[in-house]
Amino acid sequence: DTGVSQNPRHKITKRGQNVTFRCDPISEHNRLYWYRQTLGQGPEFLTYFQNEAQLEKSRLLSDRFSAERPKGSFSTLEIQRTEQGDSAMYLCASSLADGPQPQHFGDGTRLSIL
Amino acid sequence: DAKTTQPNSMESNEEEPVHLPCNHSTISGTDYIHWYRQLPSQGPEYVIHGLTSNVNNRMASLAIAEDRKSSTLILHRATLRDAAVYYCILIGNQFYFGTGTSLTVIP
Repeated sequence: DTGVSQNPRHKITKRGQNVTFRCDPISEHNRLYWYRQTLGQGPEFLTYFQNEAQLEKSRLLSDRFSAERPKGSFSTLEIQRTEQGDSAMYLCASSLADGPQPQHFGDGTRLSIL
Repeated sequence: DAKTTQPNSMESNEEEPVHLPCNHSTISGTDYIHWYRQLPSQGPEYVIHGLTSNVNNRMASLAIAEDRKSSTLILHRATLRDAAVYYCILIGNQFYFGTGTSLTVIP
């Protein structure tokens, strides 16, 4: 069973550097979601795609954040000029588009900003 | 935005039923109620969802109030592997997770 795959699992970087995360969804899923989760909190929605179209973005997604899904398959989330407050777990999920389908989550990328 | 309210924590003895409540008084007519759970260092895992009628699957049951302003996730026999944070979310609400209920299962 090939579930949602996220790489890397951990990323440590210095403040001000750019970082990029990758998410490979379940192959037949055409919706892909990005969330951010800090310690003790539930996941916070960032953005989602249906195929290659980015349909919704949260106000949490500042102009330093950009997400792409160029061919409607894998997606990347880039953070430019990282700040201490960006330290979090970044989760990706995918689902089928029809109706209220369950989201299948990866195990996340943990970002630590030094 | 419609939001959900859950107790911060609950405890249950192993092999006993657990009822996890969720209030969602501002739910809209088209919002589905989903439940997920999350183990440490893992992504959330789908448990169950419903719209108006009660639902059962191999993991749990979902009881939805007639006015849909609350719901209850029922684990029929808690095991140690059920210890997790349980989230009730409304799909159609920008996928708002809240802080969930941390379930402790006592052997």
